[in-house]
Amino acid sequence: GAVVSQHPSRVICKSGTSVKIECRSLDFQATTMFWYRQFPKQSLMLMATSNEGSKATYEQGVEKDKFLINHASLTLSTLTVTSAHPEDSSFYICSARDSGREQETQYFGPGTRLLVL
Amino acid sequence: GQNIDQPTEMTATEGAIVQINCTYQTSGFNGLFWYQQHAGEAPTFLSYNVLDGLEEKGRFSSFLSRSKGYSYLLLKELQMKDSASYLCAPLDSNYQLIWGAGTKLIIKP
Repeated sequence: GAVVSQHPSRVICKSGTSVKIECRSLDFQATTMFWYRQFPKQSLMLMATSNEGSKATYEQGVEKDKFLINHASLTLSTLTVTSAHPEDSSFYICSARDSGREQETQYFGPGTRLLVL
Repeated sequence: GQNIDQPTEMTATEGAIVQINCTYQTSGFNGLFWYQQHAGEAPTFLSYNVLDGLEEKGRFSSFLSRSKGYSYLLLKELQMKDSASYLCAPLDSNYQLIWGAGTKLIIKP
């Protein structure tokens, strides 16, 4: 149980284009999902907390107009990187918290590797 | 401020036991997680401690001392596939995970 999927797993795009990443909880409902970014050999950096049916909460320094988050259902959150630039190239990972459990465990998706040319 | 302290890298031998220590300072505390992250992959959940003491789960055990701000992950009967980074992540008062850089564990035959 507690499986989270992400799509796509890898994406290469041209500078200036937008990229949408999907995060799905497959066998549980997730009121809250999280979006992280990780650069090589660095720790996970929380970008935003996505709440179903409401606006996402962004961490300091993360541009909400550039990283659009939509959490339209209890099993799906999307992150859209708008007008992507080479510096946005990174490993983007989502996680989801099981709403049906008291434990605060976050289950991670497999991640999306974004390369902006 | 919030801080996680783990060794950057450790080396151990296949079949042996290794203990990865973690000390932390957080604004409030709601438990501590250990995650395993293989190179190029997302983290996978290993354990969660909210009370003091030892939690055993197969070859992996995790210990917590809240008064000391200290936790360790104990890995027994090491296998080559255990080569990975191990992330200690406490949950602060806002129920937000605090991430450090983790400990890279290298297993040698």
